[in-house]
Amino acid sequence: KAGVTQTPRYLIKTRGQQVTLSCSPISGHRSVSWYQQTPGQGLQFLFEYFSETQRNKGNFPGRFSGRQFSNSRSEMNVSTLELGDSALYLCASSLAGQGSNEQFFGPGTRLTVL
Amino acid sequence: GENVEQHPSTLSVQEGDSAVIKCTYSDSASNYFPWYKQELGKGPQLIIDIRSNVGEKKDQRIAVTLNKTAKHFSLHITETQPEDSAVYFCAASMGNAGNMLTFGGGTRLMVKP
Repeated sequence: KAGVTQTPRYLIKTRGQQVTLSCSPISGHRSVSWYQQTPGQGLQFLFEYFSETQRNKGNFPGRFSGRQFSNSRSEMNVSTLELGDSALYLCASSLAGQGSNEQFFGPGTRLTVL
Repeated sequence: GENVEQHPSTLSVQEGDSAVIKCTYSDSASNYFPWYKQELGKGPQLIIDIRSNVGEKKDQRIAVTLNKTAKHFSLHITETQPEDSAVYFCAASMGNAGNMLTFGGGTRLMVKP
């Protein structure tokens, strides 16, 4: 069974630009969550999507948004990029919609903002 | 919201020794506690988890214990091997809040051959 895939793996952008990251969950998984990982702040929850609906949202500004498609694939978008948005963005998928379920992470997208 | 503290931030052990990483959480409503291992250039890998209705769980050389009263849980790795070297993260989540995980700050484990 294929794992969680994320594209692209690496991305370089300049301040003010916007970026879209993609995540394909494990086949059959319906919940997709996004996390930001930085050396200073560690792993922080961005948002979770289940059945094309955002179910939870972390404490990030409105510049960070996401969506989920009917095939469970998810995208996240960051607009008006800032230097501080440089991070590893991780996507995790889970089988069911309830909590307390195992989440499996993809390899991440490394975003560098210049 | 939930807050998870993890200690130590770095841990160096000799191959064959045991390693223990400890985490505390703040919200008594949390009921799911996974542990992840992250190697350089990779995403976190789930290695073991425990739910609040269980006090201990073991999988070969890895075990996790949970003390709900004290709100802390620990990861125990026995007979450490060089390939255990990585960053380990604990996390907590509440079942009724979906799959949102709150992570500890991570522990860099170094196993010296």
